[in-house]
Amino acid sequence: DTAVSQTPKYLVTQMGNDKSIKCEQNLGHDTMYWYKQDSKKFLKIMFSYNNKELIINETVPNRFSPKSPDKAHLNLHINSLELGDSAVYFCASSPPGNTQYFGPGTRLTVL
Amino acid sequence: GENVEQHPSTLSVQEGDSAVIKCTYSDSASNYFPWYKQELGKRPQLIIDIRSNVGEKKDQRIAVTLNKTAKHFSLHITETQPEDSAVYFCAASSPHKLIFGTGTRLQVFP
Repeated sequence: DTAVSQTPKYLVTQMGNDKSIKCEQNLGHDTMYWYKQDSKKFLKIMFSYNNKELIINETVPNRFSPKSPDKAHLNLHINSLELGDSAVYFCASSPPGNTQYFGPGTRLTVL
Repeated sequence: GENVEQHPSTLSVQEGDSAVIKCTYSDSASNYFPWYKQELGKRPQLIIDIRSNVGEKKDQRIAVTLNKTAKHFSLHITETQPEDSAVYFCAASSPHKLIFGTGTRLQVFP
């Protein structure tokens, strides 16, 4: 299956913990993204990577650290989780020309 | 900064009626305008897109129009069906990213 995949689908954790979300795309795209979708459904870009290089960081707290080991993977590590980090996190990828394809999302709940 | 405004935030229609969602963007350099549909608990999925060299594009029951001068673009859904119920997002391109509108929750009542 050609797709953008994310793991885990659900993540429930305590405040102060550190967690990671993984993303992989086998579409051959050069650019990958992380988005946060809050309870009001606003889709806000967090990071954009092109060929493993960070090109956009939308003033995200430095507790969030993306890592791209190769252009097919973009992982998101979050330190010292806070209640306000609870959201659905979507990974996406795109070829040149801007059409973005989203992963299934990871619902993060911080207790 | 770049901004995309989307209206209305909620829209309820009777099955068979038409639905129109409107967006306005601020970056005059934007040249690509996709529309995404997000069903409950699912990922946003591209349903139609338009580039700035085209004024209108149609795909079966959905169509998108673009007015570059006014920086407006709209999604039109005709003969709505209950399965069209979802949240719809417009977006406008900006260097290296898309700027998304705030979403429209469309409910189609049988």
